[in-house]
Amino acid sequence: GQNIDQPTEMTATEGAIVQINCTYQTSGFNGLFWYQQHAGEAPTFLSYNVLDGLEEKGRFSSFLSRSKGYSYLLLKELQMKDSASYLCAVRNTGGFKTIFGAGTRLFVKA
Amino acid sequence: GAVVSQHPSWVICKSGTSVKIECRSLDFQATTMFWYRQFPKQSLMLMATSNEGSKATYEQGVEKDKFLINHASLTLSTLTVTSAHPEDSSFYICSASEGELAKNIQYFGAGTRLSVL
Repeated sequence: GQNIDQPTEMTATEGAIVQINCTYQTSGFNGLFWYQQHAGEAPTFLSYNVLDGLEEKGRFSSFLSRSKGYSYLLLKELQMKDSASYLCAVRNTGGFKTIFGAGTRLFVKA
Repeated sequence: GAVVSQHPSWVICKSGTSVKIECRSLDFQATTMFWYRQFPKQSLMLMATSNEGSKATYEQGVEKDKFLINHASLTLSTLTVTSAHPEDSSFYICSASEGELAKNIQYFGAGTRLSVL
């Protein structure tokens, strides 16, 4: 079966760094995605990892370890507008469907 | 990134009526589109995979006669919620990938909030 786990909520301070973890079990792996979703809006793409290692894009970085079934999203220099849900999603090899985790609601406080 | 347009963004309807939601890829062709449903404070649940020129593939537990999907062209997929009831009220989101499905990123439409009275 498939399972994606990530923390339900996290709180961090403006200007700080926060790491959101995601562990997954899937039948065939074809990439891991991180999306940001503000309340009432559609998800927006943040990052994509298919090979092990760290991908950096501005204030956001994403790490993947396929052997451990583990990823994290790192947000630096937090801003109030970063308050949102962060969705970890895994694409499998059976039909290339993308399955989403429940999301981590991040609250950034002043 | 690629642009996916979804319409309408909000719809209110009476119980028993049908509602059609459109999903368009604006600047690319998408042979495959996905339809998701999201309840408040929950994640996206994949409902079905829409394939251009063929029948949609529904996830377990999703009624295909209730949620009709038509992928008439490489840029348009529609989801029709038939005989809608209050329990169908939800946020429906479509997504599409440009190019080879196995390698590319899914981009999402803005979503449609359906409220059934």
